[in-house]
Amino acid sequence: GAVVSQHPSRVICKSGTSVKIECRSLDFQATTMFWYRQFPKQSLMLMATSNEGSKATYEQGVEKDKFLINHASLTLSTLTVTSAHPEDSSFYICSANKLGDEQYFGPGTRLTVT
Amino acid sequence: DAKTTQPTSMDCAEGRAANLPCNHSTISGNEYVYWYRQIHSQGPQYIIHGLKNNETNEMASLIITEDRKSSTLILPHATLRDTAVYYCIVSVGNEKLTFGTGTRLTIIP
Repeated sequence: GAVVSQHPSRVICKSGTSVKIECRSLDFQATTMFWYRQFPKQSLMLMATSNEGSKATYEQGVEKDKFLINHASLTLSTLTVTSAHPEDSSFYICSANKLGDEQYFGPGTRLTVT
Repeated sequence: DAKTTQPTSMDCAEGRAANLPCNHSTISGNEYVYWYRQIHSQGPQYIIHGLKNNETNEMASLIITEDRKSSTLILPHATLRDTAVYYCIVSVGNEKLTFGTGTRLTIIP
């Protein structure tokens, strides 16, 4: 099956700083990548959808200026949480899919903002 | 996308078949039924999907009722590693997936 990686797996940062999370499709080219957020004991919530070379589409209620998404190539998307605050602490998960195929999810990144 | 309803939690004895139900009474004709699972602190894992016909793969079987208003995911011989939250999702394509609360399946030794 297809493999999606995320880096880092865990990150702790101070309030007010920015954090970048990488999502890579290792053995396939992804037409679309997705970013989800999951708070403790809750389900995954889609934050945004990104296609290579174009601007991301954000879900309602997600601040695009706070959560910057760059999809520079067919195998790499990055999520930057700018000016992070404790309420941004969460489990961030990316996924990628090939056209006509199922979504493959990364292992997730646990962000803790102190 | 149509909504789904799943039991909050279920237990199953190790080695037995785990049958996870899902109601999707408002499903549209072009919507597929997808099943994913999430083991604690990991990303979701694709299990199976189907449109009308029953499907089987190396992980599970998917039984969809004739009216397509409900489905059942069957794990034929549950192991402890099958303990996870199982999500039933209906979607036109495998693009925008809306995750509900899922069913927390616990396999009992």
